[in-house]
Formats: sequence, structure tokens, C-alpha cells
Amino acid sequence: GQQLNQSPQSMFIQEGEDVSMNCTSSSIFNTWLWYKQDPGEGPVLLIALYKAGELTSNGRLTAQFGITRKDSFLNISASIPSDVGIYFCAGQLQTADYKLSFGAGTTVTVRA
Amino acid sequence: DARVTQTPRHKVTEMGQEVTMRCQPILGHNTVFWYRQTMMQGLELLAYFRNRAPLDDSGMPKDRFSAEMPDATLATLKIQPSEPRDSAVYFCASGLNFASPLHFGNGTRLTVT
Repeated sequence: GQQLNQSPQSMFIQEGEDVSMNCTSSSIFNTWLWYKQDPGEGPVLLIALYKAGELTSNGRLTAQFGITRKDSFLNISASIPSDVGIYFCAGQLQTADYKLSFGAGTTVTVRA
Repeated sequence: DARVTQTPRHKVTEMGQEVTMRCQPILGHNTVFWYRQTMMQGLELLAYFRNRAPLDDSGMPKDRFSAEMPDATLATLKIQPSEPRDSAVYFCASGLNFASPLHFGNGTRLTVT
């Protein structure tokens, strides 16, 4: 599948801090999605982005679809302990099959 | 909230045994995807269906894996015979259509000894 480069791989953050992670690709995507996975559960959709340059918020989460359609970032503001988990970016190509390619994930650990 | 339901949640089996994993997609969703998650490979796409028809199963080892949708409310993933390297978490995900975000089940954690 298409390679998505997600960074950082992991991060330790202080409760209350703002954090940012991003995803880049050499391919152009029609849709960018951000998921969060808690231990023992499946990924849960956080934000979906459909238009280049689109900036979308979901509570304390904000994500943007890059102008070139090759990148996206996710910001978490005022982090809290329940923000712990693995965050995945995923890209969907506008082809006949609409396969969803996933980044390797960013593991977030919050220090109380 | 509507959810994708997967059973069993955990499965431990011996090498060579058949394993069947089941998925109930969200009602009304017409696309179903099977993913495998491991520490080394992350989330890998195994197969996917649209309107119950298999569209691509190139991610699966054909000699031992098979995926089917007997009806709109059930998708199955079978491994026969299972091998230790098949140990992973297997996720099913469904979408309203191909342009829609996927919703994941909580996975089946498979351990093959």
C-alpha cells in the first residue's frame, strides 16, 4: 500500500500541554482520517478531512488537511490523562478501490 | 452508538487448527474490511468487500486464509491451517460506502501456539 510517514513515533507529555503530530506521504490522498486506539480496543475515528486546506476540530482535537493533499497534522490541546493511546493517521486514495492506508502510529503517554 | 461486533474477542489455538473469526458490520454499511495488526507490521489490509462481493484479497495468504460474507450481517475470516506467525489482532471494519470513514470492531486477538 501507499506509505504514510507518521511522527513522532512516541511522545511523553505533561498534563495540560498542547501536542502535535503529523503524517506525510509521497502520494496524494482524497481523504485523511485520524484514529485513536485504546488498549484492547479497535481504532476509533476522531476526525475526517476531505478538502485540501480543511481545518476541522472535535473538542480539544484539531486536524488539518495539507494544501498539497500529501500531509496532515493533528493537535491536542490541554492534554488530559485519557488522551493516552495510539493515534493513527490514515489516507484514502480516490481510486476504484478506496483502500485505506495507515501510518505506524504515535503512542502518547501523559504524565500526571 | 452503532458498533461493529467481532467474535470471539480472544482465541488461543494450536498450530494446524482451523480458526474462524466473525464480524457483524454496522447495519446499512455496504463495505467491510479485514485488517491484521501486529507490533512489527502495524495495520495491514487483508481483504475487503463491497455489497458482499470480495473486491480485493491480495493482502491474504491465499493458501490458508479465506474471507466470505454469507449475508449482509456477517463476514467471516478463516485460517486453515493456522500457524504461529498468524498470531495477531484481527480487526473488522465497515463503512457506509467506499467514500466513508471506516468504523472498527474491537478485534479478535489470536494466539497460535
